[in-house]
Amino acid sequence: DIQLTQSPSSLSASVGDRVTITCRASQPIFSYLNWYQQKPGKAPKLLIFHASTLHGGVPSRFRASGSGTDFALTITTLQPEDFATYYCQQSSSSPLTFGGGTKVDIK
Amino acid sequence: EGHLVESGGGVVQPGRSLRLSCAASGFTFDDYAMYWVRQAPGKGLEWVSGISRNSGSIGYGDYVRGRFTISRDNAKNSLFLQMDSLSVEDTALYYCVKSRGKFYYYNALDVWGQGTTVTVSS
Repeated sequence: DIQLTQSPSSLSASVGDRVTITCRASQPIFSYLNWYQQKPGKAPKLLIFHASTLHGGVPSRFRASGSGTDFALTITTLQPEDFATYYCQQSSSSPLTFGGGTKVDIK
Repeated sequence: EGHLVESGGGVVQPGRSLRLSCAASGFTFDDYAMYWVRQAPGKGLEWVSGISRNSGSIGYGDYVRGRFTISRDNAKNSLFLQMDSLSVEDTALYYCVKSRGKFYYYNALDVWGQGTTVTVSS
């Protein structure tokens, strides 16, 4: 199975900050890496698919990059509504797997 | 974009069975693969199972393989999860999720239901 390691597991930041979350795969997954945002008590929402493509309706401050084994999600200017938990997920091979999550909270 | 509504959750004793259902609307159901994803209380997301649009390809997570069975009825725009031999570790919120494409692999999960809660307890 492909393991996904997210870093950090949590971070504190302020509105306006630039935040970067990384996701490392245990083996190459090409660009089959997706990012999700989940707020407390809510279902996750797709942010990014195929490593760097913004899902419809997602603000352009969310940017992502990477291929192979190393990926990153960057929020260029953190907004109040961005405080949430973020997950990476690989769809390269079955079983599909998620990273452990990164909780972004208010400093 | 689509709407998914799960049902069938509840409290069940260890070793018993439960069948989850998901009603889909707002998109052409048989054009897309579908999934079940779960989240234990206070924990992260765990992929449970996926099924291609025509049921020709199916996959399971390691912890449920051999106990859970995914299926779909395209005529009724419905997805199912038969869960047998349940254990306390299966306690979670179970989400029904739509794929961006026809295969359950290679694609992202783009529409999520609100989930149905399964509690396994004696």
